[in-house]
Amino acid sequence: DAGVTQSPTHLIKTRGQQVTLRCSPKSGHDTVSWYQQALGQGPQFIFQYYEEEERQRGNFPDRFSGHQFPNYSSELNVNALLLGDSALYLCASSLLTGRSPLHFGNGTRLTVT
Amino acid sequence: ELKVEQNPLFLSMQEGKNYTIYCNYSTTSDRLYWYRQDPGKSLESLFVLLSNGAVKQEGRLMASLDTKARLSTLHITAAVHDLSATYFCAVDYNTDKLIFGTGTRLQVFP
Repeated sequence: DAGVTQSPTHLIKTRGQQVTLRCSPKSGHDTVSWYQQALGQGPQFIFQYYEEEERQRGNFPDRFSGHQFPNYSSELNVNALLLGDSALYLCASSLLTGRSPLHFGNGTRLTVT
Repeated sequence: ELKVEQNPLFLSMQEGKNYTIYCNYSTTSDRLYWYRQDPGKSLESLFVLLSNGAVKQEGRLMASLDTKARLSTLHITAAVHDLSATYFCAVDYNTDKLIFGTGTRLQVFP
């Protein structure tokens, strides 16, 4: 049973560019949440998707947007990249109605130069 | 907004010793997580605590939850080097919107 898978594992971008990160949830899960973890800090909640809609959002600017597809997979898009966007981006999946525990993917390491 | 505080931030322990990591949070919640993170890696789920008085143990780690005091503890018994990592507590603020603590970086030395 595949767990949460994220791609790519590493990414280097230049300031001002745009980036798309991808996540496939664990089999049977219908909810995807995204977190940003800067170096030396705890993860920060970005947003959560359920039934292809953004269900809740953390304190992140509109440059951060997302999407969920009918197969429950999700994308995180970041526009106009800043140096401060350099971080580990973690995707987590769960089954909303069952309140199952969150399962985290291995993350995408984004470096903005 | 919910705040989650962990202490200590850094912990250097000798092998064989016991110690406790504390996690305080500011708003009621119905579940609390403990995670382990190795350098450059993702989060590994250790425990999910769902109710007041919950206690869970796995190997040398034991976690407990006191919802009235808004406090969770992670107790380490007879530490070994393999436990060296960063440990996070995370409180479920609103159906899988987790608020993480600052993390406790644990180093176990011989």
